[in-house]
Amino acid sequence: GDQVEQSPSALSLHEGTGSALRCNFTTTMRAVQWFQQNSRGSLINLFYLASGTKENGRLKSTFNSKESYSTLHIRDAQLEDSGTYFCAALTGANTGKLTFGHGTILRVHP
Amino acid sequence: EAAVTQSPRSKVAVTGGKVTLSCHQTNNHDYMYWYRQDTGHGLRLIHYSYVADSTEKGDIPDGYKASRPSQENFSLILELASLSQTAVYFCASSAGLGGGQNTLYFGAGTRLSVL
Repeated sequence: GDQVEQSPSALSLHEGTGSALRCNFTTTMRAVQWFQQNSRGSLINLFYLASGTKENGRLKSTFNSKESYSTLHIRDAQLEDSGTYFCAALTGANTGKLTFGHGTILRVHP
Repeated sequence: EAAVTQSPRSKVAVTGGKVTLSCHQTNNHDYMYWYRQDTGHGLRLIHYSYVADSTEKGDIPDGYKASRPSQENFSLILELASLSQTAVYFCASSAGLGGGQNTLYFGAGTRLSVL
Protein backbone atom coordinates (compact mmCIF):
# COMPACT_ATOMS: atom_id res chain seq x y z
CA GLY A 1 0.00 0.00 0.00
CA ASP A 2 0.88 3.66 -0.15
CA GLN A 3 3.45 4.85 2.35
CA VAL A 4 1.96 8.34 2.41
CA GLU A 5 -1.80 8.64 2.86
CA GLN A 6 -3.13 12.14 2.40
CA SER A 7 -6.57 13.40 3.41
CA PRO A 8 -8.97 14.78 2.50
CA SER A 9 -8.68 14.26 -1.24
CA ALA A 10 -10.65 17.46 -1.85
CA LEU A 11 -11.68 20.41 0.30
CA SER A 12 -13.86 23.45 -0.29
CA LEU A 13 -13.52 26.53 1.93
CA HIS A 14 -15.20 29.90 2.11
CA GLU A 15 -12.84 32.84 2.13
CA GLY A 16 -11.79 33.67 5.67
CA THR A 17 -12.29 30.21 7.08
CA GLY A 18 -9.69 27.55 7.82
CA SER A 19 -9.07 23.85 7.93
CA ALA A 20 -6.40 21.18 8.28
CA LEU A 21 -4.86 18.77 5.84
CA ARG A 22 -3.28 15.59 7.09
CA CYS A 23 -0.75 13.01 6.00
CA ASN A 24 -0.38 9.64 7.68
CA PHE A 25 2.71 7.56 7.13
CA THR A 26 2.81 3.79 7.21
CA THR A 27 6.53 3.65 7.98
CA THR A 28 8.95 5.83 9.93
CA MET A 29 9.79 8.96 7.99
CA ARG A 30 12.78 11.19 8.63
CA ALA A 31 11.19 14.43 7.48
CA VAL A 32 8.24 15.84 5.58
CA GLN A 33 7.92 18.57 2.97
CA TRP A 34 4.70 20.35 2.01
CA PHE A 35 4.08 21.86 -1.43
CA GLN A 36 1.35 23.85 -3.08
CA GLN A 37 0.80 23.20 -6.78
CA ASN A 38 -0.79 26.29 -8.24
CA SER A 39 -3.07 26.71 -11.25
CA ARG A 40 -0.06 26.94 -13.59
CA GLY A 41 1.26 23.64 -12.31
CA SER A 42 4.24 25.05 -10.44
CA LEU A 43 5.28 23.39 -7.19
CA ILE A 44 5.84 25.90 -4.42
CA ASN A 45 7.73 24.97 -1.27
CA LEU A 46 5.74 25.59 1.88
CA PHE A 47 7.55 23.79 4.68
CA TYR A 48 10.30 21.33 5.40
CA LEU A 49 10.11 19.71 8.84
CA ALA A 50 12.26 17.08 10.51
CA SER A 51 10.21 17.50 13.70
CA GLY A 52 8.00 19.93 15.55
CA THR A 53 5.99 22.84 14.20
CA LYS A 54 6.66 25.67 11.76
CA GLU A 55 4.51 28.64 10.96
CA ASN A 56 4.54 31.02 8.02
CA GLY A 57 1.81 33.61 7.77
CA ARG A 58 -1.54 31.89 7.60
CA LEU A 59 0.00 28.44 7.32
CA LYS A 60 1.22 26.18 10.08
CA SER A 61 2.61 22.68 9.81
CA THR A 62 3.42 20.00 12.35
CA PHE A 63 5.36 16.77 11.96
CA ASN A 64 5.06 14.04 14.58
CA SER A 65 7.51 11.32 13.60
CA LYS A 66 6.65 9.11 16.59
CA GLU A 67 2.99 8.94 15.69
CA SER A 68 3.74 9.05 11.96
CA TYR A 69 1.70 11.98 10.78
CA SER A 70 1.97 15.55 9.60
CA THR A 71 -0.62 18.29 9.35
CA LEU A 72 -0.93 21.53 7.43
CA HIS A 73 -3.29 24.13 8.89
CA ILE A 74 -4.63 26.96 6.76
CA ARG A 75 -6.36 29.86 8.46
CA ASP A 76 -8.17 32.85 6.97
CA ALA A 77 -8.16 31.17 3.56
CA GLN A 78 -7.81 33.42 0.51
CA LEU A 79 -8.75 32.78 -3.11
CA GLU A 80 -5.09 32.47 -4.07
CA ASP A 81 -4.71 29.53 -1.67
CA SER A 82 -6.64 27.39 -4.14
CA GLY A 83 -4.59 24.60 -5.67
CA THR A 84 -3.40 21.13 -4.86
CA TYR A 85 -1.42 20.53 -1.70
CA PHE A 86 1.05 17.69 -1.48
CA CYS A 87 2.95 16.27 1.41
CA ALA A 88 6.11 14.34 0.64
CA ALA A 89 8.05 12.27 3.12
CA LEU A 90 11.75 11.57 3.28
CA THR A 91 12.13 7.82 3.56
CA GLY A 92 15.59 6.47 2.83
CA ALA A 93 18.42 6.76 5.29
CA ASN A 94 21.06 7.68 2.75
CA THR A 95 19.17 9.28 -0.08
CA GLY A 96 17.14 12.40 -0.58
CA LYS A 97 14.19 10.49 -2.01
CA LEU A 98 10.76 11.89 -1.29
CA THR A 99 7.58 9.81 -1.46
CA PHE A 100 4.54 11.91 -2.33
CA GLY A 101 0.95 11.67 -1.21
CA HIS A 102 -1.80 11.90 -3.81
CA GLY A 103 -2.63 15.47 -2.88
CA THR A 104 -5.54 17.51 -1.54
CA ILE A 105 -7.39 19.67 -4.03
CA LEU A 106 -8.33 22.88 -2.22
CA ARG A 107 -10.88 25.29 -3.61
CA VAL A 108 -11.42 28.58 -1.84
CA HIS A 109 -14.55 30.44 -2.92
CA PRO A 110 -16.03 33.82 -2.05
CA GLU B 1 15.46 30.58 -3.83
CA ALA B 2 16.87 27.73 -5.90
CA ALA B 3 16.68 28.16 -9.66
CA VAL B 4 15.87 25.03 -11.64
CA THR B 5 15.19 25.43 -15.32
CA GLN B 6 13.63 22.76 -17.50
CA SER B 7 13.50 22.56 -21.26
CA PRO B 8 11.43 22.19 -23.27
CA ARG B 9 8.35 23.33 -21.39
CA SER B 10 6.19 21.12 -23.56
CA LYS B 11 6.77 18.52 -26.22
CA VAL B 12 4.80 16.29 -28.52
CA ALA B 13 6.57 13.07 -29.47
CA VAL B 14 5.71 10.10 -31.63
CA THR B 15 5.54 6.58 -30.31
CA GLY B 16 8.91 4.89 -30.67
CA GLY B 17 10.81 8.15 -30.99
CA LYS B 18 13.59 9.38 -28.75
CA VAL B 19 12.91 12.19 -26.29
CA THR B 20 15.40 14.10 -24.16
CA LEU B 21 14.28 16.36 -21.34
CA SER B 22 16.85 18.73 -19.92
CA CYS B 23 17.29 20.30 -16.52
CA HIS B 24 19.73 22.96 -15.39
CA GLN B 25 20.24 24.29 -11.86
CA THR B 26 22.33 27.23 -10.80
CA ASN B 27 22.53 26.77 -7.06
CA ASN B 28 25.45 24.46 -6.65
CA HIS B 29 23.23 21.61 -5.43
CA ASP B 30 24.66 18.12 -5.38
CA TYR B 31 21.36 16.25 -5.66
CA MET B 32 19.07 16.27 -8.67
CA TYR B 33 15.89 14.32 -9.33
CA TRP B 34 13.40 13.51 -12.06
CA TYR B 35 9.76 12.94 -11.13
CA ARG B 36 6.69 12.32 -13.24
CA GLN B 37 3.17 13.43 -12.43
CA ASP B 38 0.12 11.84 -13.95
CA THR B 39 -3.20 13.67 -13.99
CA GLY B 40 -4.77 13.69 -10.55
CA HIS B 41 -1.82 12.06 -8.84
CA GLY B 42 1.22 12.89 -6.84
CA LEU B 43 4.78 12.72 -8.09
CA ARG B 44 6.76 9.54 -8.52
CA LEU B 45 10.55 9.36 -8.62
CA ILE B 46 12.14 8.10 -11.84
CA HIS B 47 15.89 8.69 -11.42
CA TYR B 48 18.12 10.76 -9.22
CA SER B 49 21.77 11.68 -8.90
CA TYR B 50 23.97 12.85 -6.08
CA VAL B 51 27.15 13.46 -8.05
CA ALA B 52 28.17 14.20 -11.61
CA ASP B 53 28.63 11.18 -13.90
CA SER B 54 26.50 8.98 -11.66
CA THR B 55 22.78 8.26 -11.58
CA GLU B 56 20.54 6.09 -9.43
CA LYS B 57 17.25 4.38 -10.12
CA GLY B 58 14.18 5.73 -8.42
CA ASP B 59 10.86 4.01 -7.92
CA ILE B 60 9.74 3.82 -11.57
CA PRO B 61 12.90 3.74 -13.76
CA ASP B 62 11.71 1.35 -16.47
CA GLY B 63 11.70 2.95 -19.91
CA TYR B 64 13.87 5.87 -18.81
CA LYS B 65 17.55 6.66 -18.71
CA ALA B 66 19.24 9.56 -16.98
CA SER B 67 22.46 11.43 -17.53
CA ARG B 68 24.34 13.78 -15.21
CA PRO B 69 27.25 15.19 -17.23
CA SER B 70 27.93 17.98 -14.74
CA GLN B 71 26.72 19.19 -11.36
CA GLU B 72 24.42 21.70 -13.05
CA ASN B 73 22.81 19.47 -15.68
CA PHE B 74 20.59 16.42 -15.45
CA SER B 75 18.80 14.90 -18.44
CA LEU B 76 16.03 12.36 -18.72
CA ILE B 77 16.04 10.21 -21.85
CA LEU B 78 13.21 8.19 -23.30
CA GLU B 79 14.86 5.99 -25.94
CA LEU B 80 11.59 4.58 -27.27
CA ALA B 81 8.73 6.80 -26.18
CA SER B 82 5.43 5.07 -25.46
CA LEU B 83 1.87 6.30 -24.95
CA SER B 84 2.08 5.46 -21.25
CA GLN B 85 4.88 8.01 -20.82
CA THR B 86 2.54 10.91 -21.50
CA ALA B 87 2.79 12.94 -18.28
CA VAL B 88 4.24 16.07 -16.75
CA TYR B 89 7.88 15.70 -15.79
CA PHE B 90 9.47 17.67 -12.99
CA CYS B 91 13.13 18.13 -12.25
CA ALA B 92 14.25 19.06 -8.76
CA SER B 93 17.45 19.72 -6.87
CA SER B 94 18.54 19.78 -3.25
CA ALA B 95 21.71 20.65 -1.41
CA GLY B 96 22.22 17.46 0.53
CA LEU B 97 20.88 14.96 3.01
CA GLY B 98 21.05 16.69 6.35
CA GLY B 99 18.19 18.63 7.87
CA GLY B 100 16.79 21.41 5.74
CA GLN B 101 19.43 20.77 3.10
CA ASN B 102 17.15 18.12 1.72
CA THR B 103 14.52 20.70 0.81
CA LEU B 104 13.65 20.05 -2.82
CA TYR B 105 13.30 22.89 -5.29
CA PHE B 106 11.35 22.09 -8.42
CA GLY B 107 11.47 23.33 -11.96
CA ALA B 108 8.32 24.45 -13.75
CA GLY B 109 7.74 21.08 -15.37
CA THR B 110 7.70 19.68 -18.91
CA ARG B 111 4.42 18.53 -20.37
CA LEU B 112 5.09 15.54 -22.63
CA SER B 113 2.47 14.11 -24.95
CA VAL B 114 3.30 10.90 -26.80
CA LEU B 115 1.06 10.22 -29.78
